[in-house]
Amino acid sequence: DIQMTQTPSSMPASLGERVTISCRASQGISNYLNWYQQKPDGTIKPLIYYTSNLQSGVPSRFSGSGSGTDYSLTISSLEPEDFAMYYCQQYDSSPNTFGAGTKLELK
Amino acid sequence: QVQLKESGPGLVQPSETLSLTCTVSGFSLTSYSVSWVRQPSGKGPEWMGRMWYDGDTAYNSALKSRLSISRDTSKNQVFLKMNSLQTDDTGTYYCTRDAIAYYFDYWGQGVMVTVSS
Repeated sequence: DIQMTQTPSSMPASLGERVTISCRASQGISNYLNWYQQKPDGTIKPLIYYTSNLQSGVPSRFSGSGSGTDYSLTISSLEPEDFAMYYCQQYDSSPNTFGAGTKLELK
Repeated sequence: QVQLKESGPGLVQPSETLSLTCTVSGFSLTSYSVSWVRQPSGKGPEWMGRMWYDGDTAYNSALKSRLSISRDTSKNQVFLKMNSLQTDDTGTYYCTRDAIAYYFDYWGQGVMVTVSS
Protein backbone atom coordinates (compact mmCIF):
# COMPACT_ATOMS: atom_id res chain seq x y z
CA ASP A 1 0.00 0.00 0.00
CA ILE A 2 1.12 3.58 -0.62
CA GLN A 3 2.04 5.37 2.60
CA MET A 4 1.07 9.02 2.98
CA THR A 5 3.17 11.11 5.33
CA GLN A 6 1.82 14.47 6.45
CA THR A 7 3.95 17.18 8.00
CA PRO A 8 3.75 18.72 10.42
CA SER A 9 1.49 16.61 12.62
CA SER A 10 0.39 19.76 14.41
CA MET A 11 0.78 23.41 13.56
CA PRO A 12 0.08 26.37 15.82
CA ALA A 13 -0.94 29.39 13.78
CA SER A 14 -2.62 32.78 14.11
CA LEU A 15 -5.68 34.29 12.51
CA GLY A 16 -4.81 35.83 9.17
CA GLU A 17 -1.64 33.76 8.80
CA ARG A 18 -0.74 31.88 5.62
CA VAL A 19 -0.06 28.20 6.28
CA THR A 20 1.03 25.23 4.20
CA ILE A 21 0.51 21.56 5.06
CA SER A 22 2.63 18.97 3.29
CA CYS A 23 1.84 15.44 2.19
CA ARG A 24 4.41 13.03 0.79
CA ALA A 25 3.57 9.73 -0.88
CA SER A 26 5.84 6.68 -0.66
CA GLN A 27 5.76 6.52 -4.48
CA GLY A 28 4.54 8.75 -7.28
CA ILE A 29 0.76 9.17 -7.39
CA SER A 30 0.27 11.16 -10.60
CA ASN A 31 -1.66 13.99 -8.93
CA TYR A 32 -4.35 11.62 -7.64
CA LEU A 33 -4.47 13.43 -4.34
CA ASN A 34 -7.42 14.78 -2.36
CA TRP A 35 -7.69 16.89 0.80
CA TYR A 36 -10.31 16.77 3.56
CA GLN A 37 -11.05 18.80 6.67
CA GLN A 38 -12.32 17.26 9.91
CA LYS A 39 -13.86 19.30 12.70
CA PRO A 40 -13.70 18.29 16.40
CA ASP A 41 -17.26 16.90 16.26
CA GLY A 42 -16.07 14.39 13.65
CA THR A 43 -17.66 16.04 10.63
CA ILE A 44 -15.55 15.49 7.52
CA LYS A 45 -15.71 17.86 4.56
CA PRO A 46 -14.01 17.57 1.18
CA LEU A 47 -11.78 20.49 0.19
CA ILE A 48 -9.73 19.71 -2.91
CA TYR A 49 -9.65 16.91 -5.46
CA TYR A 50 -7.04 15.85 -8.01
CA THR A 51 -4.36 17.97 -6.37
CA SER A 52 -5.69 21.45 -7.08
CA ASN A 53 -9.41 21.44 -7.86
CA LEU A 54 -11.51 23.25 -5.28
CA GLN A 55 -14.69 21.53 -4.11
CA SER A 56 -17.78 23.63 -4.79
CA GLY A 57 -18.52 25.95 -1.90
CA VAL A 58 -15.00 25.82 -0.44
CA PRO A 59 -13.51 29.31 0.05
CA SER A 60 -10.86 30.41 -2.40
CA ARG A 61 -8.33 30.90 0.42
CA PHE A 62 -7.77 27.13 0.15
CA SER A 63 -5.51 25.89 -2.61
CA GLY A 64 -3.61 22.74 -3.46
CA SER A 65 -0.53 21.99 -5.48
CA GLY A 66 2.11 19.37 -6.08
CA SER A 67 3.28 16.59 -8.33
CA GLY A 68 5.04 13.26 -8.19
CA THR A 69 5.32 12.34 -4.53
CA ASP A 70 5.03 15.80 -2.91
CA TYR A 71 1.81 17.74 -2.43
CA SER A 72 0.63 20.63 -0.31
CA LEU A 73 -2.47 22.39 0.95
CA THR A 74 -2.23 26.13 1.50
CA ILE A 75 -4.63 28.39 3.37
CA SER A 76 -3.85 31.97 2.42
CA SER A 77 -5.34 33.74 5.42
CA LEU A 78 -6.62 31.72 8.36
CA GLU A 79 -10.19 32.24 9.53
CA PRO A 80 -11.52 30.98 12.88
CA GLU A 81 -13.38 28.08 11.25
CA ASP A 82 -10.17 26.76 9.64
CA PHE A 83 -8.72 25.41 12.89
CA ALA A 84 -9.31 21.70 12.41
CA MET A 85 -7.65 18.46 11.29
CA TYR A 86 -6.59 18.06 7.66
CA TYR A 87 -6.04 14.79 5.81
CA CYS A 88 -4.60 13.99 2.43
CA GLN A 89 -5.71 10.91 0.48
CA GLN A 90 -4.16 9.23 -2.54
CA TYR A 91 -6.22 7.27 -5.01
CA ASP A 92 -3.62 6.38 -7.61
CA SER A 93 -3.25 2.88 -6.28
CA SER A 94 -5.68 0.53 -4.56
CA PRO A 95 -6.39 0.65 -1.75
CA ASN A 96 -6.69 4.41 -1.57
CA THR A 97 -4.94 5.58 1.58
CA PHE A 98 -5.00 8.59 3.89
CA GLY A 99 -2.35 10.45 5.81
CA ALA A 100 -2.31 10.54 9.60
CA GLY A 101 -3.45 14.14 9.62
CA THR A 102 -2.27 17.64 10.50
CA LYS A 103 -3.90 19.46 13.37
CA LEU A 104 -4.13 23.20 12.79
CA GLU A 105 -4.30 24.89 16.18
CA LEU A 106 -4.79 28.45 17.29
CA LYS A 107 -1.55 29.92 18.56
CA GLN B 1 -30.05 17.62 -0.42
CA VAL B 2 -27.55 14.79 -0.24
CA GLN B 3 -27.44 13.05 3.13
CA LEU B 4 -25.94 9.84 4.45
CA LYS B 5 -26.60 8.47 7.92
CA GLU B 6 -24.95 5.51 9.58
CA SER B 7 -26.69 3.38 12.16
CA GLY B 8 -25.78 0.35 14.18
CA PRO B 9 -24.73 -0.87 17.61
CA GLY B 10 -22.23 1.19 19.55
CA LEU B 11 -20.79 -1.80 21.38
CA VAL B 12 -19.73 -5.13 19.93
CA GLN B 13 -18.19 -8.11 21.75
CA PRO B 14 -14.79 -9.36 20.61
CA SER B 15 -15.06 -12.09 17.95
CA GLU B 16 -18.61 -11.01 17.12
CA THR B 17 -19.94 -9.52 13.87
CA LEU B 18 -20.49 -5.83 13.25
CA SER B 19 -23.54 -4.84 11.22
CA LEU B 20 -23.98 -1.25 10.09
CA THR B 21 -26.51 0.45 7.83
CA CYS B 22 -26.01 3.56 5.73
CA THR B 23 -29.26 5.23 4.73
CA VAL B 24 -28.91 7.75 1.93
CA SER B 25 -31.13 10.47 0.51
CA GLY B 26 -30.83 13.04 -2.22
CA PHE B 27 -29.19 10.70 -4.72
CA SER B 28 -29.65 7.26 -6.21
CA LEU B 29 -27.54 4.22 -5.31
CA THR B 30 -27.74 3.21 -8.96
CA SER B 31 -26.04 6.45 -10.00
CA TYR B 32 -23.36 6.85 -7.32
CA SER B 33 -21.08 4.47 -5.48
CA VAL B 34 -20.91 4.43 -1.69
CA SER B 35 -17.84 3.62 0.38
CA TRP B 36 -17.29 2.73 4.01
CA VAL B 37 -14.39 4.48 5.73
CA ARG B 38 -13.35 3.96 9.34
CA GLN B 39 -11.19 5.97 11.67
CA PRO B 40 -9.56 4.73 14.88
CA SER B 41 -9.43 7.39 17.54
CA GLY B 42 -6.53 9.77 16.93
CA LYS B 43 -5.58 8.23 13.59
CA GLY B 44 -6.19 8.86 9.94
CA PRO B 45 -9.13 7.37 8.05
CA GLU B 46 -8.97 3.94 6.42
CA TRP B 47 -10.98 3.02 3.34
CA MET B 48 -12.75 -0.29 3.92
CA GLY B 49 -14.72 -1.03 0.80
CA ARG B 50 -17.15 0.19 -1.80
CA MET B 51 -20.54 -0.63 -3.25
CA TRP B 52 -20.39 0.40 -6.88
CA TYR B 53 -23.40 2.04 -8.51
CA ASP B 54 -23.82 -1.08 -10.67
CA GLY B 55 -23.97 -3.42 -7.68
CA ASP B 56 -20.38 -4.61 -7.80
CA THR B 57 -18.18 -4.43 -4.71
CA ALA B 58 -14.55 -3.65 -3.95
CA TYR B 59 -12.72 -4.27 -0.69
CA ASN B 60 -9.53 -3.23 1.01
CA SER B 61 -7.36 -6.33 0.80
CA ALA B 62 -6.48 -5.94 4.50
CA LEU B 63 -10.13 -6.48 5.43
CA LYS B 64 -11.46 -8.52 2.53
CA SER B 65 -11.61 -11.85 4.37
CA ARG B 66 -13.84 -10.37 7.10
CA LEU B 67 -15.89 -7.80 5.23
CA SER B 68 -19.10 -7.85 3.21
CA ILE B 69 -20.93 -4.88 1.69
CA SER B 70 -24.41 -5.14 0.20
CA ARG B 71 -27.34 -2.86 -0.59
CA ASP B 72 -31.09 -2.54 -0.89
CA THR B 73 -31.80 0.06 -3.55
CA SER B 74 -35.54 0.10 -2.77
CA LYS B 75 -34.73 1.30 0.74
CA ASN B 76 -31.76 3.48 -0.27
CA GLN B 77 -29.53 1.55 2.11
CA VAL B 78 -26.02 0.15 2.00
CA PHE B 79 -24.96 -2.44 4.55
CA LEU B 80 -21.63 -3.37 6.09
CA LYS B 81 -20.94 -6.63 7.85
CA MET B 82 -17.56 -7.42 9.33
CA ASN B 83 -16.86 -10.54 11.36
CA SER B 84 -14.27 -11.59 13.93
CA LEU B 85 -14.06 -8.15 15.47
CA GLN B 86 -11.11 -7.32 17.69
CA THR B 87 -10.32 -4.34 19.92
CA ASP B 88 -8.34 -2.61 17.16
CA ASP B 89 -11.56 -2.44 15.11
CA THR B 90 -12.78 0.19 17.58
CA GLY B 91 -13.35 3.55 15.97
CA THR B 92 -15.77 5.74 14.07
CA TYR B 93 -17.32 4.26 10.94
CA TYR B 94 -18.44 6.54 8.11
CA CYS B 95 -20.28 5.97 4.86
CA THR B 96 -19.45 8.30 2.01
CA ARG B 97 -20.67 9.12 -1.45
CA ASP B 98 -18.03 8.62 -4.15
CA ALA B 99 -18.15 11.60 -6.53
CA ILE B 100 -15.48 10.47 -8.94
CA ALA B 101 -13.04 7.62 -8.53
CA TYR B 102 -12.32 7.61 -4.81
CA TYR B 103 -13.13 11.25 -4.08
CA PHE B 104 -15.64 11.31 -1.25
CA ASP B 105 -17.79 14.40 -1.69
CA TYR B 106 -20.34 13.69 1.05
CA TRP B 107 -19.82 11.98 4.40
CA GLY B 108 -22.21 10.72 7.01
CA GLN B 109 -21.88 11.93 10.58
CA GLY B 110 -20.22 8.66 11.55
CA VAL B 111 -21.10 6.04 14.13
CA MET B 112 -18.79 5.18 17.00
CA VAL B 113 -18.17 1.46 17.43
CA THR B 114 -16.42 0.07 20.50
CA VAL B 115 -15.21 -3.52 20.56
CA SER B 116 -15.11 -4.63 24.17
CA SER B 117 -16.33 -7.36 26.46
